[in-house]
Amino acid sequence: EDQVTQSPEALRLQEGESSSLNCSYTVSGLRGLFWYRQDPGKGPEFLFTLYSAGEEKEKERLKATLTKKESFLHITAPKPEDSATYLCAVGLDAGGTSYGKLTFGQGTILTVHP
Amino acid sequence: EAQVTQNPRYLITVTGKKLTVTCSQNMNHEYMSWYRQDPGLGLRQIYYSMNVEVTDKGDVPEGYKVSRKEKRNFPLILESPSPNQTSLYFCASSLSPRGLNEQYFGPGTRLTVT
Repeated sequence: EDQVTQSPEALRLQEGESSSLNCSYTVSGLRGLFWYRQDPGKGPEFLFTLYSAGEEKEKERLKATLTKKESFLHITAPKPEDSATYLCAVGLDAGGTSYGKLTFGQGTILTVHP
Repeated sequence: EAQVTQNPRYLITVTGKKLTVTCSQNMNHEYMSWYRQDPGLGLRQIYYSMNVEVTDKGDVPEGYKVSRKEKRNFPLILESPSPNQTSLYFCASSLSPRGLNEQYFGPGTRLTVT
Protein backbone atom coordinates (compact mmCIF):
# COMPACT_ATOMS: atom_id res chain seq x y z
CA GLU A 1 0.00 0.00 0.00
CA ASP A 2 1.27 3.44 -0.91
CA GLN A 3 2.10 5.49 2.15
CA VAL A 4 3.22 9.00 2.98
CA THR A 5 4.68 9.57 6.45
CA GLN A 6 5.67 12.89 7.95
CA SER A 7 7.92 13.38 10.94
CA PRO A 8 8.00 14.66 13.52
CA GLU A 9 4.30 15.01 14.32
CA ALA A 10 5.04 18.23 16.19
CA LEU A 11 8.10 20.45 16.42
CA ARG A 12 8.76 23.32 18.77
CA LEU A 13 11.55 25.75 17.88
CA GLN A 14 12.92 28.93 19.27
CA GLU A 15 12.99 31.87 16.90
CA GLY A 16 16.15 31.58 14.81
CA GLU A 17 16.63 27.87 15.50
CA SER A 18 16.89 26.13 12.12
CA SER A 19 15.50 22.64 11.60
CA SER A 20 14.04 20.21 9.04
CA LEU A 21 10.76 18.43 8.50
CA ASN A 22 10.67 15.04 6.83
CA CYS A 23 8.25 13.45 4.36
CA SER A 24 8.96 9.85 3.40
CA TYR A 25 6.99 7.86 0.89
CA THR A 26 6.78 4.20 -0.03
CA VAL A 27 5.29 4.39 -3.47
CA SER A 28 6.27 3.46 -6.97
CA GLY A 29 6.13 5.89 -9.82
CA LEU A 30 6.23 9.25 -8.07
CA ARG A 31 4.89 11.94 -10.39
CA GLY A 32 5.26 14.88 -8.05
CA LEU A 33 5.72 15.78 -4.38
CA PHE A 34 4.01 18.83 -2.95
CA TRP A 35 4.45 20.88 0.20
CA TYR A 36 1.62 22.94 1.66
CA ARG A 37 1.24 25.17 4.68
CA GLN A 38 -2.01 25.21 6.65
CA ASP A 39 -2.97 27.81 9.24
CA PRO A 40 -5.66 26.96 11.84
CA GLY A 41 -9.16 27.12 10.39
CA LYS A 42 -7.97 27.69 6.83
CA GLY A 43 -7.39 25.69 3.69
CA PRO A 44 -3.86 24.57 2.78
CA GLU A 45 -1.69 27.02 0.92
CA PHE A 46 0.73 25.84 -1.75
CA LEU A 47 4.48 26.12 -1.13
CA PHE A 48 6.46 23.87 -3.54
CA THR A 49 6.28 21.13 -6.14
CA LEU A 50 9.22 18.77 -6.70
CA TYR A 51 9.23 16.33 -9.60
CA SER A 52 12.52 14.44 -9.57
CA ALA A 53 15.25 13.30 -7.16
CA GLY A 54 17.89 15.95 -6.64
CA GLU A 55 15.52 18.82 -7.23
CA GLU A 56 15.53 21.73 -4.76
CA LYS A 57 13.30 24.79 -4.40
CA GLU A 58 13.51 27.78 -2.10
CA LYS A 59 11.14 30.44 -0.87
CA GLU A 60 12.19 32.93 1.79
CA ARG A 61 13.24 30.86 4.85
CA LEU A 62 12.03 27.56 3.36
CA LYS A 63 13.91 25.11 1.18
CA ALA A 64 12.49 21.83 -0.09
CA THR A 65 14.61 18.93 -1.33
CA LEU A 66 13.74 15.56 -2.82
CA THR A 67 15.43 12.15 -2.90
CA LYS A 68 14.09 8.87 -4.24
CA LYS A 69 12.47 8.00 -0.92
CA GLU A 70 11.92 11.23 0.98
CA SER A 71 11.67 14.99 0.95
CA PHE A 72 12.88 17.51 3.48
CA LEU A 73 11.53 20.95 4.23
CA HIS A 74 14.37 22.96 5.73
CA ILE A 75 13.46 26.02 7.76
CA THR A 76 16.29 28.50 8.27
CA ALA A 77 16.12 31.02 11.12
CA PRO A 78 12.37 30.59 11.61
CA LYS A 79 10.11 33.34 12.89
CA PRO A 80 6.90 33.03 14.94
CA GLU A 81 4.86 33.68 11.78
CA ASP A 82 6.21 30.41 10.35
CA SER A 83 4.11 28.56 12.93
CA ALA A 84 1.64 26.38 11.05
CA THR A 85 0.96 22.80 10.02
CA TYR A 86 3.10 21.70 7.09
CA LEU A 87 1.66 19.04 4.80
CA CYS A 88 3.27 17.01 2.08
CA ALA A 89 1.44 15.15 -0.66
CA VAL A 90 2.45 12.81 -3.46
CA GLY A 91 0.97 12.26 -6.87
CA LEU A 92 1.44 8.69 -8.01
CA ASP A 93 1.79 6.89 -11.29
CA ALA A 94 -0.92 4.41 -10.47
CA GLY A 95 -1.59 3.54 -14.07
CA GLY A 96 -4.99 3.32 -15.67
CA THR A 97 -7.24 6.24 -14.88
CA SER A 98 -5.88 7.07 -11.41
CA TYR A 99 -3.48 9.75 -12.56
CA GLY A 100 -5.25 12.44 -10.56
CA LYS A 101 -5.03 10.75 -7.19
CA LEU A 102 -3.09 12.56 -4.46
CA THR A 103 -2.09 11.18 -1.07
CA PHE A 104 -1.30 13.50 1.84
CA GLY A 105 0.80 12.86 4.91
CA GLN A 106 -0.59 13.59 8.36
CA GLY A 107 1.34 16.84 8.69
CA THR A 108 3.88 18.36 11.05
CA ILE A 109 2.69 21.01 13.50
CA LEU A 110 5.42 23.62 13.77
CA THR A 111 5.46 26.12 16.64
CA VAL A 112 8.10 28.83 16.71
CA HIS A 113 8.48 30.67 20.00
CA PRO A 114 9.78 34.26 20.13
CA GLU B 1 -10.03 37.62 -7.36
CA ALA B 2 -9.01 34.04 -8.15
CA GLN B 3 -10.64 31.78 -5.63
CA VAL B 4 -12.38 28.57 -4.71
CA THR B 5 -15.64 29.04 -2.85
CA GLN B 6 -17.54 26.50 -0.79
CA ASN B 7 -21.03 26.66 0.65
CA PRO B 8 -22.12 26.30 3.30
CA ARG B 9 -19.16 26.97 5.57
CA TYR B 10 -20.81 25.31 8.53
CA LEU B 11 -23.57 22.70 8.54
CA ILE B 12 -25.22 20.68 11.28
CA THR B 13 -27.59 17.97 10.08
CA VAL B 14 -29.15 14.71 11.16
CA THR B 15 -28.42 11.18 10.07
CA GLY B 16 -29.99 10.26 6.73
CA LYS B 17 -30.91 13.74 5.55
CA LYS B 18 -29.45 14.26 2.08
CA LEU B 19 -27.18 17.25 1.68
CA THR B 20 -25.03 18.93 -0.95
CA VAL B 21 -21.91 20.99 -0.41
CA THR B 22 -21.18 23.25 -3.35
CA CYS B 23 -17.75 24.12 -4.72
CA SER B 24 -17.01 26.66 -7.40
CA GLN B 25 -13.79 28.02 -8.92
CA ASN B 26 -13.31 31.06 -11.16
CA MET B 27 -9.88 30.17 -12.57
CA ASN B 28 -10.96 27.95 -15.47
CA HIS B 29 -9.14 25.03 -13.87
CA GLU B 30 -9.40 21.54 -15.33
CA TYR B 31 -8.86 19.61 -12.10
CA MET B 32 -11.05 19.71 -9.02
CA SER B 33 -11.00 17.55 -5.92
CA TRP B 34 -12.68 16.99 -2.57
CA TYR B 35 -10.87 16.14 0.66
CA ARG B 36 -11.86 15.50 4.21
CA GLN B 37 -9.64 16.36 7.15
CA ASP B 38 -9.87 14.56 10.47
CA PRO B 39 -7.63 14.86 13.56
CA GLY B 40 -4.78 12.35 13.38
CA LEU B 41 -5.70 11.25 9.85
CA GLY B 42 -4.70 14.28 7.84
CA LEU B 43 -6.22 15.18 4.49
CA ARG B 44 -7.76 12.29 2.60
CA GLN B 45 -8.98 12.53 -0.97
CA ILE B 46 -12.63 11.64 -1.55
CA TYR B 47 -13.14 12.19 -5.29
CA TYR B 48 -11.45 14.11 -8.03
CA SER B 49 -12.29 15.27 -11.52
CA MET B 50 -9.88 15.87 -14.38
CA ASN B 51 -12.45 17.45 -16.66
CA VAL B 52 -16.17 17.89 -17.24
CA GLU B 53 -17.97 14.56 -16.92
CA VAL B 54 -14.71 12.85 -15.80
CA THR B 55 -14.57 11.83 -12.15
CA ASP B 56 -12.68 9.18 -10.21
CA LYS B 57 -12.44 7.85 -6.68
CA GLY B 58 -9.86 8.95 -4.18
CA ASP B 59 -8.96 7.06 -1.03
CA VAL B 60 -12.26 7.44 0.87
CA PRO B 61 -15.18 7.62 -1.61
CA GLU B 62 -17.70 5.50 0.33
CA GLY B 63 -20.85 7.42 1.21
CA TYR B 64 -20.18 10.29 -1.18
CA LYS B 65 -21.18 11.22 -4.71
CA VAL B 66 -19.92 13.92 -7.03
CA SER B 67 -20.76 15.31 -10.42
CA ARG B 68 -18.96 17.62 -12.84
CA LYS B 69 -21.46 18.98 -15.30
CA GLU B 70 -19.78 22.35 -15.64
CA LYS B 71 -16.09 23.17 -15.51
CA ARG B 72 -16.40 25.63 -12.64
CA ASN B 73 -18.59 23.56 -10.28
CA PHE B 74 -17.94 20.32 -8.42
CA PRO B 75 -20.61 19.59 -5.80
CA LEU B 76 -20.20 16.94 -3.10
CA ILE B 77 -23.35 14.98 -2.32
CA LEU B 78 -24.04 12.95 0.80
CA GLU B 79 -27.14 10.89 0.01
CA SER B 80 -27.58 9.53 3.54
CA PRO B 81 -25.13 11.18 5.93
CA SER B 82 -23.91 9.28 8.97
CA PRO B 83 -22.08 10.50 12.10
CA ASN B 84 -18.76 9.12 10.80
CA GLN B 85 -18.95 11.71 8.02
CA THR B 86 -18.61 14.49 10.57
CA SER B 87 -15.48 16.23 9.36
CA LEU B 88 -13.88 19.31 7.83
CA TYR B 89 -14.22 19.24 4.05
CA PHE B 90 -12.06 21.04 1.52
CA CYS B 91 -12.53 21.54 -2.18
CA ALA B 92 -9.51 22.30 -4.35
CA SER B 93 -8.75 23.06 -7.97
CA SER B 94 -5.68 22.96 -10.18
CA LEU B 95 -4.83 24.11 -13.67
CA SER B 96 -3.21 20.79 -14.58
CA PRO B 97 -5.80 18.12 -15.51
CA ARG B 98 -3.92 15.62 -13.37
CA GLY B 99 -3.50 17.92 -10.40
CA LEU B 100 0.27 17.94 -10.84
CA ASN B 101 0.83 21.53 -9.94
CA GLU B 102 -0.41 24.03 -7.40
CA GLN B 103 -3.81 23.27 -5.94
CA TYR B 104 -5.96 26.14 -4.70
CA PHE B 105 -8.04 25.21 -1.69
CA GLY B 106 -11.37 26.57 -0.58
CA PRO B 107 -11.99 27.83 2.96
CA GLY B 108 -13.50 24.57 4.16
CA THR B 109 -16.92 23.31 5.23
CA ARG B 110 -17.33 22.02 8.76
CA LEU B 111 -20.00 19.33 8.77
CA THR B 112 -21.54 17.80 11.86
CA VAL B 113 -23.91 14.83 11.50
CA THR B 114 -25.89 13.96 14.63
